[in-house]
Amino acid sequence: DVKVTQSSRYLVKRTGEKVFLECVQDMDHENMFWYRQDPGLGLRLIYFSYDVKMKEKGDIPEGYSVSREKKERFSLILESASTNQTSMYLCASSLLGQGSGELFFGEGSRLTVL
Amino acid sequence: GENVEQHPSTLSVQEGDSAVIKCTYSDSASNYFPWYKQELGKRPQLIIDIRSNVGEKKDQRIAVTLNKTAKHFSLHITETQPEDSAVYFCAAGGNTGNQFYFGTGTSLTVIP
Repeated sequence: DVKVTQSSRYLVKRTGEKVFLECVQDMDHENMFWYRQDPGLGLRLIYFSYDVKMKEKGDIPEGYSVSREKKERFSLILESASTNQTSMYLCASSLLGQGSGELFFGEGSRLTVL
Repeated sequence: GENVEQHPSTLSVQEGDSAVIKCTYSDSASNYFPWYKQELGKRPQLIIDIRSNVGEKKDQRIAVTLNKTAKHFSLHITETQPEDSAVYFCAAGGNTGNQFYFGTGTSLTVIP
């Protein structure tokens, strides 16, 4: 059973704070993704990674950065949180690349920025 | 990049009736079309997928059809049950962007 674990289910931060969202997968998947989920907007890709130390921008990378120092861990960083980054953040991993194959999602991290 | 549109945004059906959710995509290079179900407070999970070399795929009460010429694909749920109530997302992948593009979701409510 694939397990994708997000370190925090709920976070409350203040405007300007630095925020780290951690994601770990235990199935040796090459590919990892960070999505943002907002009502009426679906799942929007922030960043993805096909290999260690490799990252590519998704559709909405502004205000975010990522880190993948180890294969199993993919971190999302908000350098200076803003209120418009209040959202649900979903991490996912997949075995197959090139946008093919099943995505395994974490439980999500709900971030509120005050 | 790819653009995936999904309709309707909300859908209510009586238990036992069928439900149909439709998606269109723009990138003719897309060749993989999964559907995810997200129950309230839970993570999205894959329920069925189809690749561009087939036109239809069934798994018990759910089926997906794909029309490559028209660039649209649909999810069909027959004999709906209350546990089918959830948000359903379509997606397109394997395209020129090498990533998945999701629709905006359909909130399905099955009324007992």
